[in-house]
Amino acid sequence: SYVLTQPPSVSVAPGQTARITCGGNNIGSKSVHWYQQKPGQAPVLVVYDDSDRPSGIPERFSGSNSGNTATLTISRVEAGDEADYYCQVWDSSSDHYVFGTGTKVTVL
Amino acid sequence: QVQLVQSGAEVKKPGASVKVSCKASGYTFTSYGISWVRQAPGQGLEWMGWISAYNGNTNYAQKLQGRVTMTTDTSTSTAYMELRSLRSDDTAVYYCARAGYCSGGSCYHTVGFDYWGQGTLVTVSS
Repeated sequence: SYVLTQPPSVSVAPGQTARITCGGNNIGSKSVHWYQQKPGQAPVLVVYDDSDRPSGIPERFSGSNSGNTATLTISRVEAGDEADYYCQVWDSSSDHYVFGTGTKVTVL
Repeated sequence: QVQLVQSGAEVKKPGASVKVSCKASGYTFTSYGISWVRQAPGQGLEWMGWISAYNGNTNYAQKLQGRVTMTTDTSTSTAYMELRSLRSDDTAVYYCARAGYCSGGSCYHTVGFDYWGQGTLVTVSS
């Protein structure tokens, strides 16, 4: 089965840039989605199809995808960005969705 | 506005079954699929499966094959997830989410899970 690997944690100071990676075999050929989840809440889609943002998501959230790594970038990090972030793909070979292992972002 | 409203919390004994509902509103139900995702306490997101509200086609996570059934009722725009032979490690919050856009007989999975239900806590305990 397809596996997506994320770093367990990322720490960033307010105003700086956080980069969260998502590794998978030839992930660049797939459409990657990213979710933000705060404690006690349902996940929220922040980037879809590698780099598109749903309405209402700040431009500070951006995504890229190439080769074996997809990246979610959060620019000008704010305290409210502290959350768990998950990447996700649709694996067409198995007709399954797959979630990454999740990354906890801590704002220092 | 798009909303997915799930049924309330459940407490079940090991070996029992649970059926969680997810009522959709604010969009054309049959134009999208519904995925179910669960999250055990302190753990990450686990995809359980997907159903097309367009034609009822399903895909289930291999781990849950044989124990899970997903259905839809298009007359009430409601999706259901039934999990059987419950074990203690099935204790989790269960979410439904709108997933995959369906048109002309095909479904496209490039839009992510753009709307989620509020979650349903299922506790399995003797």
